[in-house]
Amino acid sequence: GAGVSQSPSNKVTEKGKDVELRCDPISGHTALYWYRQSLGQGLEFLIYFQGNSAPDKSGLPSDRFSAERTGGSVSTLTIQRTQQEDSAVYLCASSLRTEAFFGQGTRLTVV
Amino acid sequence: GQSLEQPSEVTAVEGAIVQINCTYQTSGFYGLSWYQQHDGGAPTFLSYNALDGLEETGRFSSFLSRSDSYGYLLLQELQMKDSASYFCAVKVSLNRDDKIIFGKGTRLHILP
Repeated sequence: GAGVSQSPSNKVTEKGKDVELRCDPISGHTALYWYRQSLGQGLEFLIYFQGNSAPDKSGLPSDRFSAERTGGSVSTLTIQRTQQEDSAVYLCASSLRTEAFFGQGTRLTVV
Repeated sequence: GQSLEQPSEVTAVEGAIVQINCTYQTSGFYGLSWYQQHDGGAPTFLSYNALDGLEETGRFSSFLSRSDSYGYLLLQELQMKDSASYFCAVKVSLNRDDKIIFGKGTRLHILP
């Protein structure tokens, strides 16, 4: 595809369940970012992948959050034992040089 | 550490000019970018400054002063559709990897 694709676009889950969010970056982009955005708030950095380097996990809010990137392409963000405060839009972005391209995000609602 | 500061909100009148400032403290600085995000949408790229000075793209201009660790986004002839959040972002080189770090965003309100 031409842009960054995220799935699902919306996810409603029960508190305590695990969820997986998927990001398909633009082909050839070496950098991939995950951000979280609560309603009306800024972009909260979660994790960053660059090529074959070890990911920068410094933004993950707790050990319930993890992410992987397979084959330098698709990435999955996993949230275990979801809590209501995890409700937010999760945005993925990929980049090759100076510009970051964002997907439309996954809106996660924990009930 | 790395940090960016920008105002949380700015209000301006339709047809006027508004400037959104961004100051940063980073190591390995490459350049400064600006992104626009409308409610319910994804951030989209507006501009990138690697060198000092003003870059103009239509009604939008972006400025960078590397010596002052400062930049701004200038929006002219404001239109209601410019109501959005604007994020500054720095590109830095850390441990041989390039990374883009975003500020918390400035919400621009435009009054008719």
